[in-house]
Amino acid sequence: EVQLVESGGGLVKPGGSLRLSCATSGFTFDNYIINWVRQAPGRGLEWVSSIGGGNRNIYYGDSVKGRFTISRDSAKKSLYLQMNSLRVEDTAIYYCAREGGSGRRYLDHWGQGTLVTVSS
Amino acid sequence: DILMTQSPSTLSASVGDRITITCRASQSISTWLAWYQRKPGTAPKLLIYKASILESGVPSRFSGSGSGTEFTLTISSLQPDDFATYYCQQYDSVLYTFGQGTKLEI
Repeated sequence: EVQLVESGGGLVKPGGSLRLSCATSGFTFDNYIINWVRQAPGRGLEWVSSIGGGNRNIYYGDSVKGRFTISRDSAKKSLYLQMNSLRVEDTAIYYCAREGGSGRRYLDHWGQGTLVTVSS
Repeated sequence: DILMTQSPSTLSASVGDRITITCRASQSISTWLAWYQRKPGTAPKLLIYKASILESGVPSRFSGSGSGTEFTLTISSLQPDDFATYYCQQYDSVLYTFGQGTKLEI
């Protein structure tokens, strides 16, 4: 069974940093592109970032570019999101989501999310 | 970035109704479009990909159509479990974008 489990969320002050993790199981980690997607309170889904196997093909949404860094660890089968210079508007539930593989770039498996709150 | 616009933002319907949600892209995305369902407190669930292909396990009352810039999600006969928020997402560009969502209310 494919599983993705996020952790690392919490309360942080504006300007602060936080590192999210996404532990995966049930599939060949290196073969799949994995994404971070977030949902702010009362808002819709917003794609944040994606990363391919071997830490290649990394992309970011405009709202986080230059502040967030995505990475992955093949040995731990885990995905990370280092979030710096956090803003109040970064408050959201952050989901990791796996793509379908073999060029199928829709998001077929999602974690349950971790809540990040940026507030003074 | 490709802008995805859904309509309506909110849709009121009853069990047994047939409903359609529209998603428009700011430029052609061929059929590189997915639909997701999200219920409060749960992760989004993939319903349809490549505009019209039903994900395994999704009931056949769900269907998708369209290509280029205009797409639709149809539920043929609403069931109580279908009341949720629906999102379209383009994956033509590597910079993915979602529609703003359509909340389906009883």
